Amino acid sequence: GENVEQHPSTLSVQEGDSAVIKCTYSDSASNYFPWYKQELGKRPQLIIDIRSNVGEKKDQRIAVTLNKTAKHFSLHITETQPEDSAVYFCAASKNNAGNMLTFGGGTRLMVKP
Amino acid sequence: EAQVTQNPRYLITVTGKKLTVTCSQNMNHEYMSWYRQDPGLGLRQIYYSMNVEVTDKGDVPEGYKVSRKEKRNFPLILESPSPNQTSLYFCASSPGTMTNEQFFGPGTRLTVL
Repeated sequence: GENVEQHPSTLSVQEGDSAVIKCTYSDSASNYFPWYKQELGKRPQLIIDIRSNVGEKKDQRIAVTLNKTAKHFSLHITETQPEDSAVYFCAASKNNAGNMLTFGGGTRLMVKP
Repeated sequence: EAQVTQNPRYLITVTGKKLTVTCSQNMNHEYMSWYRQDPGLGLRQIYYSMNVEVTDKGDVPEGYKVSRKEKRNFPLILESPSPNQTSLYFCASSPGTMTNEQFFGPGTRLTVL
């Protein structure tokens, strides 16, 4: 089955700096890659996603890039703010409906004011 | 208010005592899933359902059962809980057609002694 690895497991940045979280996947048939943010004690929420027919997608301060050849994708957060502090999960799916999601282990991002 | 609800939110039980965690969504979503979240392991899918009476195993189905008799409900059943099922459980639903976003419930923290 699919295996998704996520790095780093923890990331500490200064407010205003950029943060990058990287994920690799094993199944070349995977075609949908969402990122979820989970604040402390809360449920995961989708922040951005990308499909395999697109190389990059942006939404304000966040962007995701996908390299299908290398089977990796990354989350980029620019101008980080304290409210960006959370655990971020990447995931991969080869099901068009995105319901057979395999998640990475998560990255705890800490933004220091 | 569109939402996914789970009950109970917290449960402490003993080994072997059957329990059910309920999940309900009011968004008329086709797809529903159960995940467990453990430190360092991310979210692992237990079971998912693509429609009423249609369920399938995820990555970690052992020790769990589900049913989907109605579109809105997707209960998770632990027939004989064991300590290794101590975890944080999330139910999620998704429309599965126009968008792949999974909407998570608030989570159920289960402790099996």
